[in-house]
Amino acid sequence: DAKTTQPPSMDCAEGRAANLPCNHSTISGNEYVYWYRQIHSQGPQYIIHGLKNNETNEMASLIITEDRKSSTLILPHATLRDTAVYYCIVRLDDKIIFGKGTRLHILP
Amino acid sequence: DTGVSQDPRHKITKRGQNVTFRCDPISEHNRLYWYRQTLGQGPEFLTYFQNEAQLEKSRLLSDRFSAERPKGSFSTLEIQRTEQGDSAMYLCASSPPRWGNTEAFFGQGTRLTVV
Repeated sequence: DAKTTQPPSMDCAEGRAANLPCNHSTISGNEYVYWYRQIHSQGPQYIIHGLKNNETNEMASLIITEDRKSSTLILPHATLRDTAVYYCIVRLDDKIIFGKGTRLHILP
Repeated sequence: DTGVSQDPRHKITKRGQNVTFRCDPISEHNRLYWYRQTLGQGPEFLTYFQNEAQLEKSRLLSDRFSAERPKGSFSTLEIQRTEQGDSAMYLCASSPPRWGNTEAFFGQGTRLTVV
């Protein structure tokens, strides 16, 4: 079973920051937090991952709370092309278990 | 490197027929995963390989399903005696051999329709 909880859907205005929350209260000390997204009819696309520290790349930022029980994915300037299902995943070193994710709608 | 490649992209088959899908991972990725995804759901784990060894199989992988990775490179997923409930997107992913701190790359999937 997935070890994460996400809201089923969210809306965000185009050009604004999209903040997607994820709860992973049972995460263990050496498990990483991963984010993937899936645009309709495509395979999941890797976005970012982290262990303890906040991370940033060209796609997004990942903010992990100090207790590591939750995290937030930030898309700084959302565009219509960011409309997708976003999955938060906790992973150690084996299979990736997906939950239901958050369906993000970017509103023009 | 062109990423994870899956073939075919679409397959329509009659109930009771056998189908086989192929996945070519990114070169030098020793881990290969198979997932199934139905409409409105997240991908469900089926099985994964490390090199040629199949390390884990989900309970979703019934006796009609078999996966192989004979030389530790490409993999095949076969479904025997297909049923309408097998209609889904079958996704393949691969990842390099690093403990935990590595991302998996997914192919575009094979969409199976059983009629």
